Amino acid sequence: KAGVTQTPRYLIKTRGQQVTLSCSPISGHRSVSWYQQTPGQGLQFLFEYFSETQRNKGNFPGRFSGRQFSNSRSEMNVSTLELGDSALYLCASSSGTSGASGTDTQYFGPGTRLTVL
Amino acid sequence: AQTVTQSQPEMSVQEAETVTLSCTYDTSESDYYLFWYKQPPSRQMILVIRQEAYKQQNATENRFSVNFQKAAKSFSLKISDSQLGDAAMYFCAYEHAGTYKYIFGTGTRLKVLA
Repeated sequence: KAGVTQTPRYLIKTRGQQVTLSCSPISGHRSVSWYQQTPGQGLQFLFEYFSETQRNKGNFPGRFSGRQFSNSRSEMNVSTLELGDSALYLCASSSGTSGASGTDTQYFGPGTRLTVL
Repeated sequence: AQTVTQSQPEMSVQEAETVTLSCTYDTSESDYYLFWYKQPPSRQMILVIRQEAYKQQNATENRFSVNFQKAAKSFSLKISDSQLGDAAMYFCAYEHAGTYKYIFGTGTRLKVLA
C-alpha cells in the first residue's frame, strides 16, 4: 500500500497570504489528522476529519481550517499568514473506526515545510 | 488536561548496546493508547510501537520493547542491540481512545555512536 502523501513538500509564502496544503491518506483510511511541528511548541494537534466531518480540533485560531473530501483526501488552509505559522505541517491517517485494536494508530506523511517571510 | 513528558532531551548509546528512553504521562482517562514514534532527519514520522492501556502485557516489536507501568503512568522504550539507523528523534504520544488527537512529548534525540 502506498503511504500518506502530502503536497507540496516545501512552500514559501509572505505574511498576509493564504496557503492550502493537501494530504492523501493510505488507501482505505477514512480519518485524517493534522499536526503543526515547530521547534518551540513541538507537535501540536490541529484537527481531525472522518467522513468529511471534523470530529476534533485543537487550540488554534480560526485562520486554520480544513476539509475532507468524499475520497478521504484532506486539505488544510491557513489564511492571513503570520511569521509564527512557519512550521512543518504533518498529516496522519488511520482507519478511523473505533473498537478494533489498532484502528487508532496514525501513520504520518512526510510533511509540508511552510516558510513565511 | 492530558500531558506527556519526556525528561531526556538527548541520549547517546554505543552501537550494539541497550538504551532506555523515558516517558511519563498524566490522564484521568482509563481507556487510552500510548505510542512511540521515531523521526529520522528525513522527518518522516515512523511508528515504533503501540500499547493499549487495558493490556497488562508490555508490547514488543523486534528490538524494541516497552515498560508500561500504568499506576505510575510511565511508558519507557527500550532499544536493544542499537544500530546506527536508530539515530533519530523519538516521540512518546498519548491518545484518549477514539479521539484521534495525539498528545506528544517534546522528544528525545538519540545518538548512536559507532
